[in-house]
Amino acid sequence: QSVLTQPPSASGTPGQRVTISCSGSSSNIGSNTVNWYQQLPGTAPKLLIYSNNQRPSGVPDRFSGSKSGTSASLAISGLQSEDEADYYCAAWDDSLNGPYVFGTGTKVTVL
Amino acid sequence: EVQLVESGGGLVQPGGSLRLSCAASGFTFSSYWMHWVRQAPGKGLVWVSRINSDGSSTSYADSVKGRFTISRDNAKNTLYLQMNSLRAEDTAVYYCARFVVTSQCLDYWGQGTLVTVSS
Repeated sequence: QSVLTQPPSASGTPGQRVTISCSGSSSNIGSNTVNWYQQLPGTAPKLLIYSNNQRPSGVPDRFSGSKSGTSASLAISGLQSEDEADYYCAAWDDSLNGPYVFGTGTKVTVL
Repeated sequence: EVQLVESGGGLVQPGGSLRLSCAASGFTFSSYWMHWVRQAPGKGLVWVSRINSDGSSTSYADSVKGRFTISRDNAKNTLYLQMNSLRAEDTAVYYCARFVVTSQCLDYWGQGTLVTVSS
């Protein structure tokens, strides 16, 4: 059901940089902005990045987003133990009946 | 402070109905589109439905179209999801979320309410 593809897992040691990819198509990422959500274990999702690369107030600057063509990526620099969570990309889709699509999700583990 | 509080979840038999509510506070509810998103146990996020600010326009995922109805009462600052003909595959935590049209993002989410469809 997800039309945005993410790797199922990513990992790193504290202080390392981790990157998560998100692959879509011309009808979603290619023509709309990308958002990223963080879901800590047992909690509701939280907006992490909006409009491709903007951080809401309170989100640390070690989180950054970028977009190129029909793909996007989330980078976590200076990985911390509290960053262990599931991360989802999302975008509006112009072609489907459901206008908002999520990625498959990536579990980030801090080793 | 923006708050979204879902309620109405529970255990229901296949074929049954349930109505979820999402009480909003801390912002001008009538100015925002609202969405429902669900998450089956151990699975990812799945978009369910959305409604525009005055309730005149709605949209649904194919998996729930014809069975679920989204609505809102701006006087009561409350969003609803009427779920009929429930199936086992509708079992999930249901989240309501506020949508910012200009940035196309869900900037605030509720804590979720669990719906379990089982006999």
